[in-house]
Amino acid sequence: QLQLQESGPGLVKPSETLSLTCTVSGGSISSSSYYWGWIRQPPGKGLEWIGSIYYSGSTYYNPSLKSRVTISVDTSKNQFSLKLSSVTAADTAVYYCARLVPTVNWFDPWGQGTLVTVSS
Amino acid sequence: NFMLTQPHSVSESPGKTVTISCTGSSGSIASNYVQWYQQRPGSAPTTVIYEDNQRPSGVPDRFSGSIDSSSNSASLTISGLKTEDEADYYCQSYDSSNHVFGTGTKVTVL
Repeated sequence: QLQLQESGPGLVKPSETLSLTCTVSGGSISSSSYYWGWIRQPPGKGLEWIGSIYYSGSTYYNPSLKSRVTISVDTSKNQFSLKLSSVTAADTAVYYCARLVPTVNWFDPWGQGTLVTVSS
Repeated sequence: NFMLTQPHSVSESPGKTVTISCTGSSGSIASNYVQWYQQRPGSAPTTVIYEDNQRPSGVPDRFSGSIDSSSNSASLTISGLKTEDEADYYCQSYDSSNHVFGTGTKVTVL
C-alpha cells in the first residue's frame, strides 16, 4: 500500500525559504505512470495546488506561485521536495504531498500533511 | 483563471440525500475529469469520486458523481446520509496545466 509522509520544519521566519520533503513508501517514485505533487491548505481555508514533478525531474507549477517554488526529486531516496522562497504569513498552511495520476489528473493517495507556520 | 465554485455549506438529516454542485467558471467542465475529495477535521483529503463518476474501492455506493454540460457543472450526490458523512468536500479538475480545487462545501448531518 503506497504511503506518503511529509517532513520538515514546522516554523519558518518571514522572508526565508520553506523546505519540505515527501518520502514515498510501498512503491517506487520512479514509476512511469505517475507524477507527484504538493498541495497546501491555509488554516480554515481551501486546498491550493502548488506544483507537480515527474521522476525524470520535469516540473510544472501553479502560475500564482511559480516565481517562488522549486520542486525536485531524489529517486535514490524515493523522495521529492518542495522549496518556497520569500515566505510571508500568507504561506502558513498545512502542506500535503500526493501521488498524481496524470491520465485523469487525480491526486491519490495523500500524505497526512504537515503544518508550517511562518512567524518571527 | 479557471475556477470551480461550490456552495459553502449544505445540511440534511440522516437517511436523506444531498447534492453538492461544482460549477466551472469558463470553458467546458466536461473537457477534463472531475474528482471529489472528502476531508474530515484534522485529516488529509481522501477520494470519494474520480474520473467524474468512479468510486475507489471501499467507498460506498451511496456516493455518486455526474457531469452536466448544460450548466458546466459537476455534482456529488450522497444518498442515505450518515453521521460519518459529515465533512468538507472538494471538487478538483484541470485546465491549462493547472490543477484547480473547488471552494469546498461543508456537509452537516443534522
